[in-house]
Amino acid sequence: GAGVSQTPSNKVTEKGKYVELRCDPISGHTALYWYRQSLGQGPEFLIYFQGTGAADDSGLPNDRFFAVRPEGSVSTLKIQRTERGDSAVYLCASSEEGTELFFGEGSRLTVL
Amino acid sequence: GQQLNQSPQSMFIQEGEDVSMNCTSSSIFNTWLWYKQEPGEGPVLWIALYKAGELTSNGRLTAQFGITRKDSFLNISASIPSDVGIYFCAGHTFNNAGNMLTFGGGTRLMVKP
Repeated sequence: GAGVSQTPSNKVTEKGKYVELRCDPISGHTALYWYRQSLGQGPEFLIYFQGTGAADDSGLPNDRFFAVRPEGSVSTLKIQRTERGDSAVYLCASSEEGTELFFGEGSRLTVL
Repeated sequence: GQQLNQSPQSMFIQEGEDVSMNCTSSSIFNTWLWYKQEPGEGPVLWIALYKAGELTSNGRLTAQFGITRKDSFLNISASIPSDVGIYFCAGHTFNNAGNMLTFGGGTRLMVKP
C-alpha cells in the first residue's frame, strides 16, 4: 500500500512475554520513527532511524525496549519481559529527510 | 525535557459553533504543527507553521504560531460532525534528531449534530 503499514494491529500478551511489532514505511522514506501513545496522552518519541542506524534512541524507556531496521526499510520494535505499564498504542512514522511525518495506524499492545 | 501544555483537554460543542484550542511551551520551537487523530488511526498533519507570527489556514482550520515561538492556537470555524477527533499540537526544534516531534496532550473534540 501507499501508507505506513503496521502489524499486528492488536496484540494481547501476558506479563513477562516477549513482543515484536513491525513497521513497513512508505517506500523511499529514509527516516523512520517509533512513538508510544498511552491512553489519553499524546504520542511520545521512542527512537529515530536514518537509514539502517538508530540516530536517536533517547526515548526508549529502558533496556527492555529495542528496535532494528537492518535493511533501511522495515523496522521491528522489540519488547522483552513485558509489563502492564507497556500497554499502549505504538505508532510508527516515516518521512523523507526534513519533511512531514506520515504515521501508521499503530499497534495496540495490551499486557495482561 | 520539553513539554507542550494543550488546552482544553476536551470540548463538547454544537454543530456550527466555532472552536478554539491552544498550546503553550516553556521552550522555543522552530516549527509548530497541528495534527488530527481519529479513532483507530494515526495522527494526520493538518497545519504546519514555520515562522513566528505566521497565520495559516487549511479549509475551516486556522492556526497561528506565536511571536515568542512558545505558543500556538488552532481555530475551527463552523464545526461539523466529521471534525470529531483528537487534535494534537506538536513542536519541532532544529536541535532534535531528524523530525522528532514533541506532542501536546491533545484536545478531544466532540460535535453534537
